[in-house]
Amino acid sequence: SQELEQSPQSLIVQEGKNLTINCTSSKTLYGLYWYKQKYGEGLIFLMMLQKGGEEKSHEKITAKLDEKKQQSSLHITASQPSHAGIYLCGINSGGSNYKLTFGKGTLLTVNP
Amino acid sequence: DAGVTQSPTHLIKTRGQQVTLRCSPISGHKSVSWYQQVLGQGPQFIFQYYEKEERGRGNFPDRFSARQFPNYSSELNVNALLLGDSALYLCASSLRMGTGTYNEQFFGPGTRLTVL
Repeated sequence: SQELEQSPQSLIVQEGKNLTINCTSSKTLYGLYWYKQKYGEGLIFLMMLQKGGEEKSHEKITAKLDEKKQQSSLHITASQPSHAGIYLCGINSGGSNYKLTFGKGTLLTVNP
Repeated sequence: DAGVTQSPTHLIKTRGQQVTLRCSPISGHKSVSWYQQVLGQGPQFIFQYYEKEERGRGNFPDRFSARQFPNYSSELNVNALLLGDSALYLCASSLRMGTGTYNEQFFGPGTRLTVL
């Protein structure tokens, strides 16, 4: 089974709608990254969460970390076509702090 | 300031050939990591280098090797290419070794390798 599960796998929303993407780990979280990727391109750093209950925002994107549930949620408010892409969560699972382990990603489509 | 840069952008090779990919980290960053991303999957860790030494290695065969130079740039080499090596190869740089607190990993645009 996957160490990191992202849900949903894909999401289609109408411009202006809010949406949430979830990332759940099967292991203890020591840090969680959120990245955005345009198809076939590099990863754009969004934010990093370290502590349970931590919440960070960047423009209209907010991410929260629930250490007890070993999960994070990424929420986009009033989505725009520019938000479209693949959202990836990655974790530092502690035992090997030299690498990130990523989920498979959530493909977001925003229709104008 | 320039971000992480990678070259070449695209590369087409045939099975059995060898390939070298290059990465220049953000100025001031001393750590470089390499990841392989197959279509439809998240990136998979290959190596991390810090101060010119290998600090971590993922579950990849010995055909994969890398090195880091005194200016902190890095090369990833893959020998005896297989069809399954076709992927997007991503380089990430960070200030220090590891992936912990206040040591964000910033990724480059990647090199798309196609093996025929």
